[in-house]
Amino acid sequence: EIVLTQSPTTMAASPGEKVTLTCRASSSVSYMHWYQQRSGTSPKLWIYETSKLASGVPNRFSGSGSGTSYSLTINSMETEDAATYYCQQGSSYPLTFGSGTKLEIK
Amino acid sequence: EVQLVESGGGLVQPGRSLKLSCAASGFTFSNYYMAWVRQAPKKGLEWVATISTSGSRTYYPDSVKGRFTISRDNAKSSLYLQMNSLKSEDTATYYCARHGDYGGSPFAYWGQGTLVTVSS
Repeated sequence: EIVLTQSPTTMAASPGEKVTLTCRASSSVSYMHWYQQRSGTSPKLWIYETSKLASGVPNRFSGSGSGTSYSLTINSMETEDAATYYCQQGSSYPLTFGSGTKLEIK
Repeated sequence: EVQLVESGGGLVQPGRSLKLSCAASGFTFSNYYMAWVRQAPKKGLEWVATISTSGSRTYYPDSVKGRFTISRDNAKSSLYLQMNSLKSEDTATYYCARHGDYGGSPFAYWGQGTLVTVSS
C-alpha cells in the first residue's frame, strides 16, 4: 500500500500570501490528484494528474511534482481558499488519500 | 449537470447489514468507473470500493474486502454498496463518486453523502 504523508497538518496564511502544501508518497507514483473540502461539504476535485486544474478552479492554484514528492501551491491566498486539501494517488490499488492539510485564513 | 444522490444510510447494529444506493444522472453512466469513498466523523477520506464500467472488475481495500460488495445497474444508472458484518469502525459518511474512464482516474464528481452509524 502506498502511504501518502501531507504536510503541514494545519497552517494559517494571510490574504495575499503564497502557500505551498506538500504530499510525499512512500513509493513512486505516476501522478497525484488533489481535492478541496470546505467544512460541512463534499470534497471537490481540485487538481488532477499532478498539474491540471479542475473546471472552475482559479488559476492562482497550481500543482507540481513527480516520483514521491508533490505539491499544491496557491500564488496569493484568498479567504475562499480556507479548506482542507487532500492528495490522492491512483497509480496502484489500494487507492489511498493523504490525511489532509487544513488551511486557515489569518 | 452531473448529479449523484446517495440513499440508504442510517443506524445499524454491529454485525448487521446495510445496502447503500446511488442514483446517477447528467452523464452516460455506463461509460465511467464508479466508486464509494467514506469519511469517519472528523476524519479524513478513505477509499472503499471501485467498479469498472461493465461491473466485471471490482476493487477493495483490505479493511472492507470480504464484507462489502460494490455493484452497478447500468440500465438504471445506479450504483450500490452492500455492507455486511458491519463494525463500529465503519461509521462514516459514505460518498458515491464518479471516476473517469479508468480505475486510477480521479474522483471527478461526488454526491452529498449518506451517514452510516454502526452502534448498539
